[in-house]
Amino acid sequence: AQSVTQLDSQVPVFEEAPVELRCNYSSSVSVYLFWYVQYPNQGLQLLLKYLSGSTLVKGINGFEAEFNKSQTSFHLRKPSVHISDTAEYFCAVTVIQGAQKLVFGQGTRLTINP
Amino acid sequence: DAGVIQSPRHEVTEMGQEVTLRCKPISGHNSLFWYRQTMMRGLELLIYFNNNVPIDDSGMPEDRFSAKMPNASFSTLKIQPSEPRDSAVYFCASSLALGSGELFFGEGSRLTVL
Repeated sequence: AQSVTQLDSQVPVFEEAPVELRCNYSSSVSVYLFWYVQYPNQGLQLLLKYLSGSTLVKGINGFEAEFNKSQTSFHLRKPSVHISDTAEYFCAVTVIQGAQKLVFGQGTRLTINP
Repeated sequence: DAGVIQSPRHEVTEMGQEVTLRCKPISGHNSLFWYRQTMMRGLELLIYFNNNVPIDDSGMPEDRFSAKMPNASFSTLKIQPSEPRDSAVYFCASSLALGSGELFFGEGSRLTVL
């Protein structure tokens, strides 16, 4: 079965600084990878996804993530964060073959300080 | 287009009472998921349906929990009897197809059991 580990439960950064949120996955078969964002008192929404092709994927709000198969990682990055990026970020994985459920990591709380 | 609609947004009840949470998925989506989110356990998948049929209910914590999807546009999650440890935010999500990984979440139902 597939699994996801988000290496940091909380990440505090200053406004306009770069940020990286780390995600590692485990699976014996090929996977699709996702990052979701949850703003306070809201549901999760899709930030970006990797299905195939270029390993660097771009999402909404200036975020991007890089799929590294050898490292089994899918880290999320943004070169310059804004106060409005304060949220919880979830990495998720599903296997490609068969109709499988999406497995979420435990989440990383990103706090942007002025 | 309307997103996933959940009701009620907030519910406060007393231990032992029956609680029913409701969800209307996005029209045309074939898969529906119920999640529970707490600080201690994070985001947990309770049950999911495909074409109105329950596929996996292994995440349902106890027999006190039950879920139904009588048609493609409506689902309920019922807790009877409720207990204080059931206090959480319950999310409903839908997707076009099982295994796509692209879930659309509702805004959640915050349940408090006193």
